[in-house]
Amino acid sequence: DIQMTQSPSSLSASVGDRVTITCQASQDISNFLNWYQQKPGKVPKVLIYDASNLATGVPSRFSGSGSGTHFTFTISGLQPEDVATYYCQVYDNVPRFTFGPGTKVDIK
Amino acid sequence: QLQLQESGPGLVKPSETLSLTCTISGGPIKSDFWTWLRQPPGKGLEWIGSIYQTGSPTYNSSLKSRVSISLDASKNQVSLSLSSVTTADTAVYYCARWGQPWNYYFDYWGRGTLVAVSS
Repeated sequence: DIQMTQSPSSLSASVGDRVTITCQASQDISNFLNWYQQKPGKVPKVLIYDASNLATGVPSRFSGSGSGTHFTFTISGLQPEDVATYYCQVYDNVPRFTFGPGTKVDIK
Repeated sequence: QLQLQESGPGLVKPSETLSLTCTISGGPIKSDFWTWLRQPPGKGLEWIGSIYQTGSPTYNSSLKSRVSISLDASKNQVSLSLSSVTTADTAVYYCARWGQPWNYYFDYWGRGTLVAVSS
C-alpha cells in the first residue's frame, strides 16, 4: 500500500499570507494526487486534481505542484474562508486510495 | 446532478456487523466507481473500499478481512457491511463517486452518516 506523509499537521497564518503544505508518497505515484478541502461539519471538496490542475470553480489562489513522490499545495493569499483541514489523496491504477493525515489551517 | 444518501443504524454493538446503504439518484450507477470512506470523530479520512459493476470490489488492506461492498443497479444502491466492529469503527461513513474516467477524483459525496459502536 502507498503511504502518505503530510506536513505540517497544523498551521496558523495571517490573512494574506502564503501557506504551503507538502505531501510525500512512499513510492513514485507520477501525478496521481489530489488535494481536498474539508470545512468543519462539511463534506470534502476537491481543489486540485492530478497534482496541479485547478478544479472547476476553485479560486486561483489555490495551486498544486509536484510529481513522483513529493507534492506541494499552496494558498497564495490566505482568506478567512480558507479555514479548513486540507488532505492530499493518492490513487493507483486498481484503483486504491490513500489519504494523507491532513493539515488544519487556522487564521492567526 | 447526482445525489447520494447514506442510511443505516446510528448505533451498533461491539462484535456485531455494521450495515449501511447508499442510495444514488439523478443517474444510473452501473458505469461508475462507488466508494465507501469513513472519518472517525476529529480524525482524518480513510478509504474503506470501492466497487465497479464489471469488476470485483477493492478494499483497504487493513479492513479487507471484515468488509464487503455490493452494488444493486436495479435499486441504484451500494451497500457496505463491516463485521466484528469495535469502538475504533465509530466514524462518519461517506459514500462517494470516484469520477473515473472523466474525473480522477471523488466528485460526488453523500452527507455522511455517523455510526457509533457502543454497548
